[in-house]
Amino acid sequence: LAKTTQPISMDSYEGQEVNITCSHNNIATNDYITWYQQFPSQGPRFIIQGYKTKVTNEVASLFIPADRKSSTLSLPRVSLSDTAVYYCLVAPRGGSYIPTFGRGTSLIVHP
Amino acid sequence: DTGVSQDPRHKITKRGQNVTFRCDPISEHNRLYWYRQTLGQGPEFLTYFQNEAQLEKSRLLSDRFSAERPKGSFSTLEIQRTEQGDSAMYLCASSLDRDRDRGSPLHFGNGTRLTVT
Repeated sequence: LAKTTQPISMDSYEGQEVNITCSHNNIATNDYITWYQQFPSQGPRFIIQGYKTKVTNEVASLFIPADRKSSTLSLPRVSLSDTAVYYCLVAPRGGSYIPTFGRGTSLIVHP
Repeated sequence: DTGVSQDPRHKITKRGQNVTFRCDPISEHNRLYWYRQTLGQGPEFLTYFQNEAQLEKSRLLSDRFSAERPKGSFSTLEIQRTEQGDSAMYLCASSLDRDRDRGSPLHFGNGTRLTVT
């Protein structure tokens, strides 16, 4: 499985756009990039998944450059409720792989 | 979609006691995973089921841990002779694996927090 590297922590302020970048230099051809969000005392929650270029949903956007060696989760106009840990996972979709989580990025949004 | 539910939410036990947790996955999901999470760390894989078959178990998992998924529906995770180091949040997740390239993302429950005193 491709190893991922993301910042341990980030700080932002309400109303700002937050971009969290994940590096995955050895991503494989059939790997997808998936992001999860986790609030304290809750299980992780799926946010977004992509393979290439750009994916957008009601929560976030995911930007993936042509070489796919990194990806950026973009949260527009964050609020205090976006304070959470964000995990980047890279793996095939389906099949026998085991989703493996790193330590994630702890985002703190300040008033 | 009623989501993944776990019971109990909290469990306090004394060292040496046995504990059992239950997970009810999303009904049409054929895969079920157990993870463990300690403070400041990401979820750590324990084991997973495809329907009723337990397909993989972490090599780090002690023999005191056992999981079942009878009839491919709910699952139980039992820890025997608990130790203080077992204190953690135990998370269950489910997903739908239709075929090799069409698996769904994980859907997690809110976990069972175990405290061993």
